[in-house]
Amino acid sequence: QVQLVQSGAEVKMPGASVKVSCKASGYTFTTYGISWVRQAPGQGLEWMGWISPYNRNTNYAQKLQGRVTMSTDTSTSTVYMELRSLRSDDTAVYYCARDSSGAGPYFDSWGQGTLVTVSS
Amino acid sequence: QSVLIQPPSVSGTPGQRVTISCSGGNSNIGNNDVYWYQQLPGTAPKLFIYRNNQRPSGVPDRVSGSKSGTSASLAISGLRSEDEADYYCAAWDDSLSGAVFGGGTQLTVL
Repeated sequence: QVQLVQSGAEVKMPGASVKVSCKASGYTFTTYGISWVRQAPGQGLEWMGWISPYNRNTNYAQKLQGRVTMSTDTSTSTVYMELRSLRSDDTAVYYCARDSSGAGPYFDSWGQGTLVTVSS
Repeated sequence: QSVLIQPPSVSGTPGQRVTISCSGGNSNIGNNDVYWYQQLPGTAPKLFIYRNNQRPSGVPDRVSGSKSGTSASLAISGLRSEDEADYYCAAWDDSLSGAVFGGGTQLTVL
């Protein structure tokens, strides 16, 4: 069955960077894109961007342009999301999700989530 | 302020039918498919409705989705305690070139 397993919780200082991983299994890795979605404590869902493991094309949310980078390693079926210049309002649970559509948030499988806490 | 607008909360008693609305614009719901996600407390979201009105396997047929113009709605009939969760609508936004979510609706089963 499709599984997305994310790396563990992180605590970072303001201004630092964080890199979260998402390892996929149970399907052909290059066939589906991966999106990242975050959820601040007690808040709603926010789409961060998308990457194609097939050709490494990316599309980032305008709000995060310049601070976020998504990458893939097809040898290990893993997608990475790096967020730089962390601020306190980046504290959130970060999810990866398999994206079954070219345009449109068709997220049919989700990782378990990774809590990133930004605090001094 | 979310691009897609949902009521913060709805409630119903067991067996009732509830609906959750999602209002957008021409650049998102008006021109693209709508998706719904269910998030149980402390868990990752789960796909609940795709392409406006399609149910993934495992989602019961008492759940339905619809779309008209720039609005969409999710209906759950025969309400059960296990339906208590947060529900989010989502769509692609052509102007933003990205996916957008509603603010979420908390469903309480009284």
